[in-house]
Amino acid sequence: KAGVTQTPRYLIKTRGQQVTLSCSPISGHRSVSWYQQTPGQGLQFLFEYFSETQRNKGNFPGRFSGRQFSNSRSEMNVSTLELGDSALYLCASSLSTGTDTQYFGPGTRLTVL
Amino acid sequence: QKEVEQNSGPLSVPEGAIASLNCTYSDRGSQSFFWYRQYSGKSPELIMFIYSNGDKEDGRFTAQLNKASQYVSLLIRDSQPSDSATYLCAVNNPGGFKTIFGAGTRLFVKA
Repeated sequence: KAGVTQTPRYLIKTRGQQVTLSCSPISGHRSVSWYQQTPGQGLQFLFEYFSETQRNKGNFPGRFSGRQFSNSRSEMNVSTLELGDSALYLCASSLSTGTDTQYFGPGTRLTVL
Repeated sequence: QKEVEQNSGPLSVPEGAIASLNCTYSDRGSQSFFWYRQYSGKSPELIMFIYSNGDKEDGRFTAQLNKASQYVSLLIRDSQPSDSATYLCAVNNPGGFKTIFGAGTRLFVKA
């Protein structure tokens, strides 16, 4: 069974631009969570989607948004990029929400110049 | 108080020794607990999960959970240099529909 895939793997943007990242979960998984990982803050929860509904959101500004499609694929968008948005963005999928194990994709490395 | 706390390390152990990694969490409603390993430049990969109090063994790895003390640990027996990585403790409270990760403990296994 194919794992979680994320595209693109690397991205370089400039301040003020916007970016869209994509995540395809493991086949059959309906929950997708997004995390931001930086050396100083570790893995920070962004949001979680299940059956196209956002079930929870972390403490990030409204510039960070996401959505999930009917095939469980998910996208996250960051508008008006800031230097501090440079990070590794990880997507994780699980069968559903609750106690299920999450499996991570390879991540998208975003650099904001 | 952070929701999930880990000693950042680095923890250094000789090859063949037992490495002990610890984690505490603040939400008593937490129901599932995970240990992930993350190599530098890679994404986290699951090592073990544990739901019930007590020990759970998988090969060289043993996870221990004590809900009364809000404490989770991971023991790595016969540590190998390939075990050198950052180990992330994660706690899930299904009522909140999110998983909270600790900052991770860096482990170095010296050959």
